[in-house]
Amino acid sequence: NAGVTQTPKFQVLKTGQSMTLQCAQDMNHNSMYWYRQDPGMGLRLIYYSASEGTTDKGEVPNGYNVSRLNKREFSLRLESAAPSQTSVYFCASRDWTGAAFLNGYTFGSGTRLTVV
Amino acid sequence: SQKIEQNSEALNIQEGKTATLTCNYTNYSPAYLQWYRQDPGRGPVFLLLIRENEKEKRKERLKVTFDTTLKQSLFHITASQPADSATYLCALLNSGYSTLTFGKGTMLLVSP
Repeated sequence: NAGVTQTPKFQVLKTGQSMTLQCAQDMNHNSMYWYRQDPGMGLRLIYYSASEGTTDKGEVPNGYNVSRLNKREFSLRLESAAPSQTSVYFCASRDWTGAAFLNGYTFGSGTRLTVV
Repeated sequence: SQKIEQNSEALNIQEGKTATLTCNYTNYSPAYLQWYRQDPGRGPVFLLLIRENEKEKRKERLKVTFDTTLKQSLFHITASQPADSATYLCALLNSGYSTLTFGKGTMLLVSP
């Protein structure tokens, strides 16, 4: 099925460890996004890539880096994980062109990350 | 500061009734507003988009209104069913920006 695929689905890290969350979409979308979702905080934008070759900071970028590897793939890296980064991470994509403008974001199923 | 407010208390209704969820915003000039549904353990799913120059949009049992004077959107589900139970998120795209900002969502519980 077409959509956004995130790996892994679950991860437990120790404080200070690093890891990369992977995201791939097969809908030929231009833009891709990383959000985190915490209880009582809603979805908050970490980084986004409006098009292949560009990345920009969102609302909560500290402690994260991203790479837009190609049009399909957008990864999120935690260089030195902290307990405050315990969250559910969602990747999303969207096509801004033509009639697709009226479509919303397509989200992956999330990565549940716990930092101990 | 910019705020998007959705009722944090769950909305409990009986099957067959109309559910109405509210999204209020301050210090935004949204080009458009979107509504999403999120089930536990899943990512949000896009439902509807309404633009700033549209008053109302419908899709099957769903209706969205957008009042830029009141700075409010209402999301209605008519003839609600237990399968409609979920958290509903509103999201705004502010004029001049290229990303969505989400509200915290309202949980809807439809009882048989």
